[in-house]
Amino acid sequence: DTAVSQTPKYLVTQMGNDKSIKCEQNLGHDTMYWYKQDSKKFLKIMFSYNNKELIINETVPNRFSPKSPDKAHLNLHINSLELGDSAVYFCASSQTLREQYFGPGTRLTVT
Amino acid sequence: AQKITQTQPGMFVQEKEAVTLDCTYDTSDPSYGLFWYKQPSSGEMIFLIYQGSYDQQNATEGRYSLNFQKARKSANLVISASQLGDSAMYFCAMREGREYGNKLVFGAGTILRVKS
Repeated sequence: DTAVSQTPKYLVTQMGNDKSIKCEQNLGHDTMYWYKQDSKKFLKIMFSYNNKELIINETVPNRFSPKSPDKAHLNLHINSLELGDSAVYFCASSQTLREQYFGPGTRLTVT
Repeated sequence: AQKITQTQPGMFVQEKEAVTLDCTYDTSDPSYGLFWYKQPSSGEMIFLIYQGSYDQQNATEGRYSLNFQKARKSANLVISASQLGDSAMYFCAMREGREYGNKLVFGAGTILRVKS
């Protein structure tokens, strides 16, 4: 059973398009996150939700909008995609302070 | 200032030997946690080990152990009996207090190559 899953795994799209990445966790965790890994492999937090409530919004452009329909799902919608948005996007979840489990990642390529 | 510093961009180790990956951190928060993740070439982020700032003992998980030196603000990962499958990028990360929302701040990573 996959604990944290993301779809799609790969996403290739053109500049200016709008796209969404979906994340689901079956661990029963209350907190979910989005991280971005850039081309130099640097990982940075974007958003965090706790029980459907936004608790971290880390100076991310307004074109990025997370949505949590329930505590098992955290989706990321990106408007007006730019070349610089090309990256790997990871979803993660946690229940306690001592853990954070990551999904497989979504590689977004903007052409 | 960098919160997490991994000074070794790349490391080589002979199969079956032990290797230490360095990580130093910077925080004034008394309550924090340190994580290590493995990222193989396939790209997934695998959670290896966690050390809390108040934990009395150094964390161990199988062949992984964390050499936690609080006064020096270091949290080095030790991998014993290296295997070819240990070749990957390794990230150290820190979680500060609850007011930071449990977010992880990552270091730049260390690429480990295990030689046969």
